[in-house]
Amino acid sequence: AQTVTQSQPEMSVQEAETVTLSCTYDTSESDYYLFWYKQPPSRQMILVIRQEAYKQQNATENRFSVNFQKAAKSFSLKISDSQLGDAAMYFCAYKTGYALNFGKGTSLLVTP
Amino acid sequence: DVKVTQSSRYLVKRTGEKVFLECVQDMDHENMFWYRQDPGLGLRLIYFSYDVKMKEKGDIPEGYSVSREKKERFSLILESASTNQTSMYLCASRSTGGAKQEQYFGPGTRLTVT
Repeated sequence: AQTVTQSQPEMSVQEAETVTLSCTYDTSESDYYLFWYKQPPSRQMILVIRQEAYKQQNATENRFSVNFQKAAKSFSLKISDSQLGDAAMYFCAYKTGYALNFGKGTSLLVTP
Repeated sequence: DVKVTQSSRYLVKRTGEKVFLECVQDMDHENMFWYRQDPGLGLRLIYFSYDVKMKEKGDIPEGYSVSREKKERFSLILESASTNQTSMYLCASRSTGGAKQEQYFGPGTRLTVT
């Protein structure tokens, strides 16, 4: 089974600063999708960003970008100009087939 | 707007009760999923359904069953609730043909079994 590892249970960042959340995964597949999901304290899980494995270019969505290193099986999320509303649990997820495999999550605290 | 709804945000049940958790999506999605979320464990897949009346076991199906009689509705059933099933339950749906491959989540049901 594929595994997803998030090695940072908690992270902290000051407003307006940049933070990087780490994610590694284990797979023998060559074609797959990777996602970062955000779960604010209200609990609604929403998609932050996604990456197709066949694309070499790193995905970017406004202040959110990824560093996708396929050979190293690494998929980190960079949040630039952090805002108070970025405080949440962040989950890295890997998809092949129907379902997602999630990491255990990183709790991000944003301080004023 | 994409919408996945779950019948209850909070639920308290007694040990041995039969519990139904309902999930409805309005996006005409083929695939629907039930996850369980526990602190320090992330999300774990209980069951999923790739189409009406079709179901597949996920990673932790023991103690659970599911029903999908209509495309928009996916129910999770705890036949005899136990205290170790106290958890947050998240439903999700996805379009098979969606280019983005994104799963859309409901708000979750916090179930407490006493």
